[in-house]
Amino acid sequence: SQQGEEDPQALSIQEGENATMNCSYKTSINNLQWYRQNSGRGLVHLILIRSNEREKHSGRLRVTLDTSKKSSSLLITASRAADTASYFCATDVPGSNYKLTFGKGTLLTVNP
Amino acid sequence: NAGVTQTPKFQVLKTGQSMTLQCAQDMNHNSMYWYRQDPGMGLRLIYYSASEGTTDKGEVPNGYNVSRLNKREFSLRLESAAPSQTSVYFCASSVIPGQALYEQYFGPGTRLTVT
Repeated sequence: SQQGEEDPQALSIQEGENATMNCSYKTSINNLQWYRQNSGRGLVHLILIRSNEREKHSGRLRVTLDTSKKSSSLLITASRAADTASYFCATDVPGSNYKLTFGKGTLLTVNP
Repeated sequence: NAGVTQTPKFQVLKTGQSMTLQCAQDMNHNSMYWYRQDPGMGLRLIYYSASEGTTDKGEVPNGYNVSRLNKREFSLRLESAAPSQTSVYFCASSVIPGQALYEQYFGPGTRLTVT
């Protein structure tokens, strides 16, 4: 069963624009993580936000978490062509022994 | 550090053949994971090993077996490959559970086709 679901499934923007991706999940979490996957490559961890945090920044990335709505958003500011990738949210659920459940991802295309 | 390495990168099997996918990490991580990634399905956990000497089933374990050979190595075996096992397989590892940050580090993947 899918714990996290990203929205939209695909997003196409111009270089310099901001990109926002959303993740909704079903049950309470310990933390939520975002990963990036370039075509044909493994996933790379971007940022982790704990259930008691509401916002976190890392460079051009801003992640928010709303536990009352069971949702998170990932904002990439001033996007670059190199940001073209699939982005996945992953949740760690209490009692899961630190297993992560991944969503299906958002494919972001940044056009030069 | 090489991080997480996987072999082979590509493999084609005939239905019924067996093979073992190898994974190794050099980051002294306790936990290791095997996922499969299919189009439109995201990543699904096959098996994981929270620590050396332990293994547990994930979401889609049927048709697979694993071995945690030592702290560094975690292999995935397909005893009798089926076309439904055509997928990209990723190995991952993470730092000791309970530490502040335990993001997973992924290998480059093995692209497996079963005909």
